[in-house]
Amino acid sequence: GAVVSQHPSWVICKSGTSVKIECRSLDFQATTMFWYRQFPKQSLMLMATSNEGSKATYEQGVEKDKFLINHASLTLSTLTVTSAHPEDSSFYICSATIPPAYTDTQYFGPGTRLTVL
Amino acid sequence: RKEVEQDPGPFNVPEGATVAFNCTYSNSASQSFFWYRQDCRKEPKLLMSVYSSGNEDGRFTAQLNRASQYISLLIRDSKLSDSATYLCVVIPDYGGATNKLIFGTGTLLAVQP
Repeated sequence: GAVVSQHPSWVICKSGTSVKIECRSLDFQATTMFWYRQFPKQSLMLMATSNEGSKATYEQGVEKDKFLINHASLTLSTLTVTSAHPEDSSFYICSATIPPAYTDTQYFGPGTRLTVL
Repeated sequence: RKEVEQDPGPFNVPEGATVAFNCTYSNSASQSFFWYRQDCRKEPKLLMSVYSSGNEDGRFTAQLNRASQYISLLIRDSKLSDSATYLCVVIPDYGGATNKLIFGTGTLLAVQP
């Protein structure tokens, strides 16, 4: 089956630093990737839709200047949390769809747990 | 009102029990429905899709009631390994082509020996 990886699996950083999270599709090309955030005891919330070669589409309430998304290739999307603060501590999960883009099945990465001190 | 609502539980059941979870969704034009399973500190994994005709996969049965905007998941003969959070997921129809997943908060199941 389709495999999606994320790196790092966990990260602890100081307040004010920036953190980059990578999402890779290992055995398929993903024109569309999604970034989610999950706070403890809450549901996954879609942050943005990442399209290869174009700007990401952000959900309402998600600051695009704080959460920078780059989808430079068909197998890699990155999420950079800029000037991270403790309230950004969360579980960040990416997913990808196998083309054509509008298919229902999303393959999830294992997630990245971010803790900001 | 949340787009997808679930009873958070927890549901504590003995091994071998039958347990049912319910979920309601607000967007009446939604077309695709799923149940995902999420283990603690892990990513969600697709359990099954849900169709109007209902579908069964071994001990798991999913049903969709479009008139009531209601989805259910039935687990028979519960196993210890079924302990997890079960997420109701909907792809709403906002009038354009999209495959955005909207997740419920999940229902926690704890199967006891």
